[in-house]
Amino acid sequence: EIVLTQSPGTLSLSPGERATLSCRASQSVSSSYLAWYQQKPGQAPRLLMYGASSRATGIPDRFSGSGSGTDFTLTISRLEPEDFVVYYCQQYGSSPLTFGGGTKVEIK
Amino acid sequence: QVHLVESGGGVVQPGGSLRLSCAASGFPFRNHAMHWVRQAPGKGLERVASILYDGSNKYYPDSVKGRFSISRDNSKNTLYLQMNSLRAEDTAVYYCAKDEGRTADYYYYMDVWGKGTTVTVSS
Repeated sequence: EIVLTQSPGTLSLSPGERATLSCRASQSVSSSYLAWYQQKPGQAPRLLMYGASSRATGIPDRFSGSGSGTDFTLTISRLEPEDFVVYYCQQYGSSPLTFGGGTKVEIK
Repeated sequence: QVHLVESGGGVVQPGGSLRLSCAASGFPFRNHAMHWVRQAPGKGLERVASILYDGSNKYYPDSVKGRFSISRDNSKNTLYLQMNSLRAEDTAVYYCAKDEGRTADYYYYMDVWGKGTTVTVSS
């Protein structure tokens, strides 16, 4: 089973700043089959990215994804107030699917 | 508009059972794998069951294997999760999620999620 480690656990930034979230896999994720989700308090997760770098429908272009192999990154170019929530990565390159533990982006 | 609506959650005593349902609409349900994902209070996401589009494959993690059973009725566009021998650690919000893959023999990522239903296991 591939273990995904997200870092940092909490990221403290100000609106307008750039956020860089890391997702590291214990083994190579084949075909860059990695997705990112955003979860706001009291809501279900929402798909942000898939295939490591493809934005889901309706996702603003301030969100971008990159990486391959074992190291993946979600970047938010300029934080908006609604971006201060929790983000999860998930790999689907190997069975079973696995999620990372999440990164919370909080207002500094 | 793609829609997933979960139901069936509630409060149950340890050792009890519950059956969750997920009504799907707005997409060809019979063509997509489906998942149940739970989130314990203050914790992360845990996939607890998955089923391929035709029911030919089901997945359970060790934490629920032998206690939970996933099924689907493609004629009713409905997904189910039968939960038996419930434990306190099963307390969570349970989400139904649609897999992006179409008529695939593989699980991909979850592109649509329901709002969730809460299960509380307590005496």
